Amino acid sequence: GENVEQHPSTLSVQEGDSAVIKCTYSDSASNYFPWYKQELGKRPQLIIDIRSNVGEKKDQRIAVTLNKTAKHFSLHITETQPEDSAVYFCATRSGGYNKLIFGAGTRLAVHP
Amino acid sequence: KAGVTQTPRYLIKTRGQQVTLSCSPISGHRSVSWYQQTPGQGLQFLFEYFSETQRNKGNFPGRFSGRQFSNSRSEMNVSTLELGDSALYLCASSDDRGGEKLFFGSGTQLSVL
Repeated sequence: GENVEQHPSTLSVQEGDSAVIKCTYSDSASNYFPWYKQELGKRPQLIIDIRSNVGEKKDQRIAVTLNKTAKHFSLHITETQPEDSAVYFCATRSGGYNKLIFGAGTRLAVHP
Repeated sequence: KAGVTQTPRYLIKTRGQQVTLSCSPISGHRSVSWYQQTPGQGLQFLFEYFSETQRNKGNFPGRFSGRQFSNSRSEMNVSTLELGDSALYLCASSDDRGGEKLFFGSGTQLSVL
């Protein structure tokens, strides 16, 4: 069935370093790949997304890359800051409409 | 624009009871989706409504149901509550014009005792 694997489950970096989170999906029909950031006690917030016809997208310090052949996509955060500390979720849209399949999440800690 | 609004913020129920959660989408958004978030299972899709019709459903038992009204507001209902239903229930809305972006509410934290 539809499945999204996300790694690592926890990530600890020093302020200013880069962070990379990787996701692998199973449904080759997936065509939309959003990333959400969830701070403690808050709602998931969309931070960046990419469609299957695009290989890379960048927005300031964050970027997402997609490899459709290998069925994996990654989130890259450069020049990390303490306020980047949160749980990050990758997701794929599967089965049409607005059904998202989420990865298990990555807890990112950025230490000053 | 106001964001997605969910009420109530917290709920405490006992096993066997039923509960109704409410979601008001962003103005102009016609698609409303519901997700269950637990520490063990993560974020799982429950169902999606568009123009008062359920057009997608996840793998949850029939005790979980929902509906959408003509003003796009949505409710979900869980009957015969079980301890395992304790979770954060999140609602998300989308304008469904091909943008696909889902915007989440703050959720309703349900505790079943």
